[in-house]
Amino acid sequence: EVQLVESGGVVIQPGGSLRLSCAASGFTFDDYAMHWVRQAPGKGLEWVSLITLDGGRTYYADSVKGRFTISRDNSANSLFLQMNSLRPEDTAFYFCVKDMGAIVPTSILDSWGQGTLVTVSS
Amino acid sequence: DIVMTQSPDSLAVSLGERATINCKSSQSVLFSSNNKNYLAWYQQRPGQAPKLLIYWASTRESGVPDRFSGSGSGTDFTLTISSLQAEDVAVYYCQQYYTTPGGLTFGGGTKVEIK
Repeated sequence: EVQLVESGGVVIQPGGSLRLSCAASGFTFDDYAMHWVRQAPGKGLEWVSLITLDGGRTYYADSVKGRFTISRDNSANSLFLQMNSLRPEDTAFYFCVKDMGAIVPTSILDSWGQGTLVTVSS
Repeated sequence: DIVMTQSPDSLAVSLGERATINCKSSQSVLFSSNNKNYLAWYQQRPGQAPKLLIYWASTRESGVPDRFSGSGSGTDFTLTISSLQAEDVAVYYCQQYYTTPGGLTFGGGTKVEIK
């Protein structure tokens, strides 16, 4: 069974930095691209970032480009999101999500973690 | 960006009745080389993470009950719940992945409740 467990969400002041982690199990982690998707409380879903299976290519939403960095450690079955220059509008639940496609990303999001809440507020 | 627009924002349906949710994309998500629509549907029950229901517009994910079906092509899509059950109370989202990799966009969501 696929399990994705996020951690690292906290209350942080605007302008601060934060690193989210996601521990993956139940599948061959280094065969799949991974995503971060966020959801502001009571709002809809927003795709944030994608990293290919080997970490060689990364993609970002315009709203976070230049501020967030996605990375992965395949030896530790872990996904990360480094978040810098945080803004109040970054307040959201952040979900770690597995891509359905083995080797080649499809961007079909077939397994989701439960999310970790990041609150940006002074 | 491809903008996804869902309608209605919410609907209330009696148990056992049909629920229909619409999703419209601002440009076609049909890829001509493989004749596939790059469109998925997700269910998010209260307090839970989203769950994949349907992809390629009409392919049901493993384990999803057959009362859920997806249809449509190009820019107009529909998710149908043929006989609403209590456990189907949720918000449903469509998502395009035509722009993959990256640039994924979701509809605003449709909340389904019991009448």
